[in-house]
Amino acid sequence: KQEVTQIPAALSVPEGENLVLNCSFTDSAIYNLQWFRQDPGKGLTSLLLIQSSQREQTSGRLNASLDKSSGRSTLYIAASQPGDSATYLCAVNTGGFKTIFGAGTRLFVKA
Amino acid sequence: DAGVIQSPRHEVTEMGQEVTLRCKPISGHNSLFWYRQTMMRGLELLIYFNNNVPIDDSGMPEDRFSAKMPNASFSTLKIQPSEPRDSAVYFCASSPGTGITQETQYFGPGTRLLVL
Repeated sequence: KQEVTQIPAALSVPEGENLVLNCSFTDSAIYNLQWFRQDPGKGLTSLLLIQSSQREQTSGRLNASLDKSSGRSTLYIAASQPGDSATYLCAVNTGGFKTIFGAGTRLFVKA
Repeated sequence: DAGVIQSPRHEVTEMGQEVTLRCKPISGHNSLFWYRQTMMRGLELLIYFNNNVPIDDSGMPEDRFSAKMPNASFSTLKIQPSEPRDSAVYFCASSPGTGITQETQYFGPGTRLLVL
């Protein structure tokens, strides 16, 4: 059974700091991996989607990497801003639209 | 496009009552998903539809839960009878996917359900 774990559960950093969020999954047989952002009381917004054949994806200050063999993904946020404060969720697609979500990392960026 | 639309945004009901949650997916999207989010269990997939047909409902917790998609622009999730443990945020998401697995899912704002 696929399990997705995110570490740390919460993170507080000063503005301007570069940071890394971690995601691990137990079964390397995935189709893709997505990073989502969730603001309080809101739905999820997709940030980056990495196909199983890819190693990384970049969007602005965000960079996500994928290492299927080790069952790990990281989300790198450069020059963090207070507006980046949110919960970040990692989700793996195991096929047939089966998407397994991690519990998320709650990020707080202090001004 | 207005994105995925869900109604109501908030629902408070008493145990035993029927609850109906509604979702309008993004126009042109072929797949629709219902999720439930709680502090204890995180985000769980309940059911997904492809071209209005339920493909996998293995995540539906009990027979009290049912979902329908009568057409490409509307879906409902019904709980009858509702119980306090059903209290959660219910999300609907849609995807342009046509059976392959690489498309992004677009989430609605969710319905916060509280069963007293």
